[in-house]
Amino acid sequence: QVQLQESGPGLVKPSETLSLTCTVSGGSTSNYYQYWSWIRQSPGKGLEYIGYIYYTGSTNYNPSLKSRLTISLDTSKNQFSLKLNSLTAADTAVYFCARRSVSVSEDRDCFDIWGPGKMVTVSS
Amino acid sequence: DIQMTQSPSSVSASVGDRVTITCRASQGVSSWLAWYQQKSGKAPKVLIYGASRLQTGVPSRFSGSGSGTDFTLTISSLQPEDFATYYCQQANSFPYTFGQGTKLEIK
Repeated sequence: QVQLQESGPGLVKPSETLSLTCTVSGGSTSNYYQYWSWIRQSPGKGLEYIGYIYYTGSTNYNPSLKSRLTISLDTSKNQFSLKLNSLTAADTAVYFCARRSVSVSEDRDCFDIWGPGKMVTVSS
Repeated sequence: DIQMTQSPSSVSASVGDRVTITCRASQGVSSWLAWYQQKSGKAPKVLIYGASRLQTGVPSRFSGSGSGTDFTLTISSLQPEDFATYYCQQANSFPYTFGQGTKLEIK
């Protein structure tokens, strides 16, 4: 079955850029109605939607992060990535990659597969 | 952004009890509402989507109802493995937003 796994640094300095990659195994990132997403979770803000990328390259970003965020997709490697710049302590969180699965006929729009999460600490 | 408010924030219950968790949206989300279960140190797991549709593989003791702004998640007979934190999430409009969570603890 489809599995996701996040990778990247666990510690990043303030003002620097966070780069995380999610590797998808057991499935394709080129499927219709599957959107490759990032979500983070911090004690202070709970679960926060970051954004997604579709196989066509179209993206959707949370406006609260949009000015600092880039999500990209490499279908040949079955990987998608997140870059978040100008980091502050408020960006400290567990970062999850997830598959958003959509079917209008089934009233389905949910994050149905998640990676285990990557703890990222922003500190000097 | 649509604000999602869950109640209660925590609840204590016993194995075999029936438990209901409520989620209220700050504006209507139709039936675009999902429920997730998260255990400590793990990723969330989807239980319900479309407000009332059970995700494949999820036990039938979990059920969801509601539409518009008011939703409920019910666990009909609590099992030991159900003690976890539960979140609602609206999928009506971006940015998608989650409730603050309801922690279900053993009494």
